[in-house]
This record gives sequence, structure tokens and C-alpha cells, in this order.
Amino acid sequence: DGGITQSPKYLFRKEGQNVTLSCEQNLNHDAMYWYRQDPGQGLRLIYYSQIVNDFQKGDIAEGYSVSREKKESFPLTVTSAQKNPTAFYLCASSLGPYTDTQYFGPGTRLTVL
Amino acid sequence: AQTVTQSQPEMSVQEAETVTLSCTYDTSESDYYLFWYKQPPSRQMILVIRQEAYKQQNATENRFSVNFQKAAKSFSLKISDSQLGDAAMYFCAYRSAFHQGAQKLVFGQGTRLTINP
Repeated sequence: DGGITQSPKYLFRKEGQNVTLSCEQNLNHDAMYWYRQDPGQGLRLIYYSQIVNDFQKGDIAEGYSVSREKKESFPLTVTSAQKNPTAFYLCASSLGPYTDTQYFGPGTRLTVL
Repeated sequence: AQTVTQSQPEMSVQEAETVTLSCTYDTSESDYYLFWYKQPPSRQMILVIRQEAYKQQNATENRFSVNFQKAAKSFSLKISDSQLGDAAMYFCAYRSAFHQGAQKLVFGQGTRLTINP
């Protein structure tokens, strides 16, 4: 089955720890994205990548980092510098960087204890 | 910067009835894409329907259709013959067609739709 997978589904972190969220796609999409969703709100863009070995900051990149070493993978690291990391994180991909439709993975719920 | 506004935080409808969700947006661009996404309790974002701004014809996908009014910057979603499985949060989203800014979706706050049996 083609699609986007995210792991883990739930993640708990102690304050001061870095944590990495996984995102994998087998759709052969060039572009990948990370969004954050807070309760009662829409999604906000954290980072995006148009092609392997390239990525750009979105609207709320502070306290986050990413890498894009493989076309299929776009992991997101939530660092200790992120002041309020508890949120729902969604990964998305699109065929090309300027292709209109983005498709989403199932998401990861991160809770800081 | 573009903004998307959904003025109805919650809506409810009887099963088999029709409901319309509202969305307005603000942009100075002439070419763009508009989307409705559904987020059920599982929280995965599922594409419902998309509209290209340069197309005058309203998009339709089975029981889902839109009323796109470009001059009014309005993009409402009509769900016909509502089913229990339609219950979800619905998000309206905007994406620029220009390279600068095309990378992100701009989302509204969402409308929670309840279907009453």
C-alpha cells in the first residue's frame, strides 16, 4: 500500500530532552512537510523539503530541526529549545514542491511531562 | 499574508440532510488552490475536495460539492445526504500557485460537524 507512515503514534518526553519523530513515504513524492496542530486550531508549517538534502524553515521553526538524507524519509527533531512542544504533529508530502495537493500521515501526539 | 477564516466553530445536521460549511479567505493573489480537509477522531487529515482558482466550475466529489465565489473570496462546502461517518472536524485551506509561498497550506480554525441520527 502506498502512503505516509508516522511513528510513534504517541510519544512522551521529559523536559530538557530531544526527541525525534519519524515520517516515511513510499509515494515517490519529492516534497515533504511538517505541521504542528494545537487544540482547537488549524495546522501551522514547521519545516518543508522540496528535494533530498534541502529543507527550508516554515512559520514556526524555532526549537525544531529536520534532515532529508533520503527521498522517503523526513524526520523531525523536537529540541529542548522548543518552549511548548506538547502538540499533535502531522507529516505531509506532495508529488512536487509546487504541486497543489498535500497528503497527510496519521500524526504523532507528543506530550512533555 | 493570506488568511483563512471559518466562522462556524460547530455545526450539526440530521442524518440524510444537507449541510453547508462556510469559509472565507483573504489574498491578493490571482491564482491559488483551495481545499477542504476532514479530520475524524483518528486525527488523520483526509482530503475531501480541491478547487483551482482559475476554474470557474465548482468542484464536486460524490456527495461533496463546493460553492466557489472568487470575487467574494468565499469557498463553502456542501455535504448532501449526510452520513454518520461524515462527523469530523473540517478544515478549509489555501495554497498559493506561485512558487514563492506555494510550499505551505494556510488553514482555517476548523468547523466541528456533528451528525444526529
